[in-house]
Amino acid sequence: DIQMTQSPSSLSASVGDRVTITCRASQGIRNDVGWYQQKPGKAPKRLIYAASTLQSGVPSRFSGSGSGTEFTLTISSLQPEDFATYFCLQHYNYPFTFGPGTKVDIK
Amino acid sequence: EVQLVESGGGLVQPGGSLRVSCAASEFIFSDFSMSWVRQAPGKGLEWVANIKKDEGEKHYVDSVKGRFTISRDNAKSLLYLQMNSLRAEDTAVYYCVRSAWLDWWGQGTLVIVSS
Repeated sequence: DIQMTQSPSSLSASVGDRVTITCRASQGIRNDVGWYQQKPGKAPKRLIYAASTLQSGVPSRFSGSGSGTEFTLTISSLQPEDFATYFCLQHYNYPFTFGPGTKVDIK
Repeated sequence: EVQLVESGGGLVQPGGSLRVSCAASEFIFSDFSMSWVRQAPGKGLEWVANIKKDEGEKHYVDSVKGRFTISRDNAKSLLYLQMNSLRAEDTAVYYCVRSAWLDWWGQGTLVIVSS
């Protein structure tokens, strides 16, 4: 199975900060990666697919990059509504696997 | 907008069975593969199973193989997950998710396995 590691596991940031979250795959997975945002008590919401394509309706402050084994999610200017947990997903092969998550909270 | 509404969750004893369902609308259900993803309380996300659009291919995470069965009714736009031999570690919110790319998610249904 492909393991997805994610760092950091949590971070504290202020409104307006630039935030970067990294996921690493245990083997090459092309660009078969998605990024998700989850708020407490809610279902995850997809932000990015194919590693770098912004989901329709998602603000442009979110961006994704990477290919192969290393992927990043960047929030260019953190907004109050962005405080949440973020997960990466690989769907290169079965079983699909998620990173353990990064909790972003208010400094 | 895509709608996915899960139902059928509840409390079940260890060793018991439960079937959860997902009603899909606002898209052509038969055009998409579908998945189930679960989340144990306070934990991360775990992909559980996937079914191709014509039921020709199904995949499962190892921990549920032989116990869970994913199926679908394209005529009724329904997705199912039959769960047998349930264990305490199966306790989770079960999400119905569209496509192999996991693009749209339902709100989830809670399954609690406890005596």
